[in-house]
Formats: sequence, structure tokens, C-alpha cells
Amino acid sequence: EAQVTQNPRYLITVTGKKLTVTCSQNMNHEYMSWYRQDPGLGLRQIYYSMNVEVTDKGDVPEGYKVSRKEKRNFPLILESPSPNQTSLYFCASQAGLAGGEQFFGPGTRLTVL
Amino acid sequence: SQQGEEDPQALSIQEGENATMNCSYKTSINNLQWYRQNSGRGLVHLILIRSNEREKHSGRLRVTLDTSKKSSSLLITASRAADTASYFCATAAYNNAGNMLTFGGGTRLMVKP
Repeated sequence: EAQVTQNPRYLITVTGKKLTVTCSQNMNHEYMSWYRQDPGLGLRQIYYSMNVEVTDKGDVPEGYKVSRKEKRNFPLILESPSPNQTSLYFCASQAGLAGGEQFFGPGTRLTVL
Repeated sequence: SQQGEEDPQALSIQEGENATMNCSYKTSINNLQWYRQNSGRGLVHLILIRSNEREKHSGRLRVTLDTSKKSSSLLITASRAADTASYFCATAAYNNAGNMLTFGGGTRLMVKP
């Protein structure tokens, strides 16, 4: 089954404790992206990647890191989480680079205390 | 920054009625897409309309695009309780760094049985 998976689905952590949210897709898509969703603000893009070893900032990259060492994986790293990073996070992938349909993961609900 | 703005923010109708949601955007686009999100879950792609298209249908969905007014509408005909969800428009536009998909704030649709 074609899908995007994220782990963990739920995470409660404390300020400053490094964490990684994993994202994996099995569709051989070139393009992958991370979004955060907050009430009243919609979905905002954090980082995206157009291919292996190619990543770039989205609208709200501060406080986040990503890597794309393999085509299928695109982990989101919070080196020192803060309470304002409490949010619902989505990973997405897309075939090609021409603005097509994006496939979303199920989401990771992160709470930073 | 949000490219698309949906209107209304919330809509409540009876089963069997039609639901119309509107989306306005600010800059030139390559295509416009509509997504659906059930509460707290990942977004699911519904339909894509290219900038040179004016109308597109998929089952009970009808999407229109008016590039002169920078607006789009999503019509769901003969709504069902299962259509209850949030609906987002997203615009795809080429920029110097490559493709990015920018989401609006969404319309929360409630269909009452």
C-alpha cells in the first residue's frame, strides 16, 4: 500500500530535550515536506526536500532541522524543543517537482512542556 | 505566509444540501488543489485544477477556477454526514527554489444527518 508513515504519532516532552520525528514514504517520491498545523494558522511549511541531499527552508524553519540521506526518509529534528513548537506535524511526499498531488502522513501531535 | 484564504471559515448544512466553499489567493499559480482533513488526521487530496482550466468534476465534487479574480470554489453536491471535515485549498506556484504548496486556513464543514 502506498503510504507516508510518521513516528511517533503522539509525543509529550520537556523543553530542551532533543527529539526526532521520523517520516518515510514507499512511493519513490522525489519531493518531501514537513508542515506544522496550528489553530487559526492553517498549515505552514517548515522544510522541504527536492531530492536526496537537497533540502531548503519553508515558511517557518526556525528551531528545526531536517536531513535527506535516503530518498524514502525525511526526519524532522528539534534540537532544543520549546513550548511554542507544540503543534500537529505532518510529513508529505509528492512525485516529481511540478506541483502535483501531495500524500500526507497521519500526523504527529507534539506537546512540549 | 498563507496564499489561499477560504471562505467561509465554518459551514453547517443538512444532509442532502449542497456545500460551497471559496478560496482566494494572491499570486500567480501553476495549479490549485483541494484537500480534505478529518479531525486530527492527515490531509487527503481531492482534486487538482490547472491554471489553464476553468472547471473540473470528480464524483460529487465540482471545482471552478477564475484566474482573473484569483479565486476558486469547491462545490459538494448532495452532501452526506460523512463529508463532515475541514477542507483546504492549496496553491502551487513555481519559485526560484522550486515547487512549494501553500495552504489556506480551511473551511470546517459540518453536515447534519
